[in-house]
Amino acid sequence: GAVVSQHPSRVICKSGTSVKIECRSLDFQATTMFWYRQFPKQSLMLMATSNEGSKATYEQGVEKDKFLINHASLTLSTLTVTSAHPEDSSFYICSAERDINYEQYFGPGTRLTVT
Amino acid sequence: AQKITQTQPGMFVQEKEAVTLDCTYDTSDPSYGLFWYKQPSSGEMIFLIYQGSYDQQNATEGRYSLNFQKARKSANLVISASQLGDSAMYFCAMREPYYNNNDMRFGAGTRLTVKP
Repeated sequence: GAVVSQHPSRVICKSGTSVKIECRSLDFQATTMFWYRQFPKQSLMLMATSNEGSKATYEQGVEKDKFLINHASLTLSTLTVTSAHPEDSSFYICSAERDINYEQYFGPGTRLTVT
Repeated sequence: AQKITQTQPGMFVQEKEAVTLDCTYDTSDPSYGLFWYKQPSSGEMIFLIYQGSYDQQNATEGRYSLNFQKARKSANLVISASQLGDSAMYFCAMREPYYNNNDMRFGAGTRLTVKP
């Protein structure tokens, strides 16, 4: 149990376009989902925390209007990178938390390349 | 603000030997959770082991054990009987309690290479 999926796994888009990444908890309801960003050979940086039905809480320095997060249901959160630029190219990872324990379950990640 | 420090950018270990990956943390909150994750080249984050700040005993999960020294604020990961498949990045992370948003912060990571 506790499987989290992400879609797509890889995406290439042109500069100026928007890209939506989905994060789903497949076999449990996730009260909270987290979005991370990871540059090559670096650690995971928390971007935002989202709770179902409420606005996401963004980390300092993360642009809310650029990285739109929607936590529409207890099993789905989406991250939309709006007007993407090459510097947005990165590995984006989501995680989901069950409220019965302390553990975060991570998705497989989405590699975004903006050309 | 909490801070996680992993001072070993890279480590080498001979197959079948044990290795310790260091992690220190800094927090003023008495309630927190400590995690270790493995990230192979595929990118997925694989949960290895968890230690709660109030746990009296060190956590163990198979070949993984966590050497928790609360007074020193260290949470080192010990991998026994290393295998070639253990070669990966390893991240230490700390989780703040729910009243601090449950945020999880990661260390810079240690790249472990297991030699045959």
